[in-house]
Amino acid sequence: NAGVTQTPKFQVLKTGQSMTLQCAQDMNHEYMSWYRQDPGMGLRLIHYSVGAGITDQGEVPNGYNVSRSTTEDFPLRLLSAAPSQTSVYFCASSRVEHEQYFGPGTRLTVT
Amino acid sequence: AQTVTQSQPEMSVQEAETVTLSCTYDTSENNYYLFWYKQPPSRQMILVIRQEAYKQQNATENRFSVNFQKAAKSFSLKISDSQLGDTAMYFCAFRRTSGGGADGLTFGKGTHLIIQP
Repeated sequence: NAGVTQTPKFQVLKTGQSMTLQCAQDMNHEYMSWYRQDPGMGLRLIHYSVGAGITDQGEVPNGYNVSRSTTEDFPLRLLSAAPSQTSVYFCASSRVEHEQYFGPGTRLTVT
Repeated sequence: AQTVTQSQPEMSVQEAETVTLSCTYDTSENNYYLFWYKQPPSRQMILVIRQEAYKQQNATENRFSVNFQKAAKSFSLKISDSQLGDTAMYFCAFRRTSGGGADGLTFGKGTHLIIQP
């Protein structure tokens, strides 16, 4: 099993550009989520999904969109990148209520 | 809403020593999970140990054990016989079970643990 995979590992964007961070899991987990990690802040929840076709907002959703058309995939879209979105992004999956398994992260820089 | 507090931004100990990382949390929930995650310089988030709130027995995983005090809302991690590979950021995290835990994990800000040779 590959577990949770994320692409790309690194990305540099200019302000105003859009992009999609990809996330996939092969553990048949119902629950998937996106977090961002900023220095001194720990990880904060952006969006989550409890199953295909169901998504909801987390603590810091502004500027991000998600969709979940399959159990395996949960992409995160940045609509118009801003310097405040410079961060490390983690995708995670789990059976509902249980510990989450994390992907390797994407380091995004917005200039 | 839940909050998780890690009051030690950084700790440093000698190899083979025992070290305890502190975590307190605030919640009105009765049923929940608590976790410790390790983040080495590779950036990967690695689950170290989990504790179900309904269990009185403290969880252990090899050299890692917790001291879970539900009434005090305290969840400390003890690392015995520390090794150089234990050098990492350690995050305490909370997940409630009501609502299916849909709001994910609430993390503390982390403790940077350095193991000195």
